[in-house]
Amino acid sequence: AQSVTQLGSHVSVSEGALVLLRCNYSSSVPPYLFWYVQYPNQGLQLLLKYTSAATLVKGINGFEAEFKKSETSFHLTKPSAHMSDAAEYFCAVSGDAGNNRKLIWGLGTSLAVNP
Amino acid sequence: DTEVTQTPKHLVMGMTNKKSLKCEQHMGHRAMYWYKQKAKKPPELMFVYSYEKLSINESVPSRFSPECPNSSLLNLHLHALQPEDSALYLCASSLLQGQTYEQYFGPGTRLTVT
Repeated sequence: AQSVTQLGSHVSVSEGALVLLRCNYSSSVPPYLFWYVQYPNQGLQLLLKYTSAATLVKGINGFEAEFKKSETSFHLTKPSAHMSDAAEYFCAVSGDAGNNRKLIWGLGTSLAVNP
Repeated sequence: DTEVTQTPKHLVMGMTNKKSLKCEQHMGHRAMYWYKQKAKKPPELMFVYSYEKLSINESVPSRFSPECPNSSLLNLHLHALQPEDSALYLCASSLLQGQTYEQYFGPGTRLTVT
């Protein structure tokens, strides 16, 4: 069965520090992976996606993620956190035919950025 | 333009009311989605339309009735809702329905059922 695990429901970093949000997936087929961000009282915004073209994926707002098949991971990073990065972050894997090809979501990680 | 719009932003309704949520996109996407999201939780898929036809119904109660009048519009008709239906309702669209296509989300409608 396909699944997504986000380690750490809450992550707190200082402004200017490295942001690392962890995502591990389980999939019996080559995965398509996504990171979304949700700012307070807003919808979800696509940060980046992995579709097997390159293992290091660059997204918007300075975020990037590296696909590591051996570790079944797709961790999200940003070299220097800004206050505006405080939000909820969701990792998702695109489901296979058995899952109606719907997005399978992690439970989310809430990122706090301290001044 | 990667914008999905939703109206209204907020909606308060009683359990006997009938109301509708509206979603619109002009990106030429042929797949549209309704999600329900509770606070601090990931979105839960409710319905998927592909080429204006209902493709997926995730066993949603009949008090929620989706409609796709054309390729740009998606409605969600609400009737006799329960307080536990209070949530953020998100609309999304993608170029096509399939694993490789990213979904673009609207800002959502915050629904409160009293």
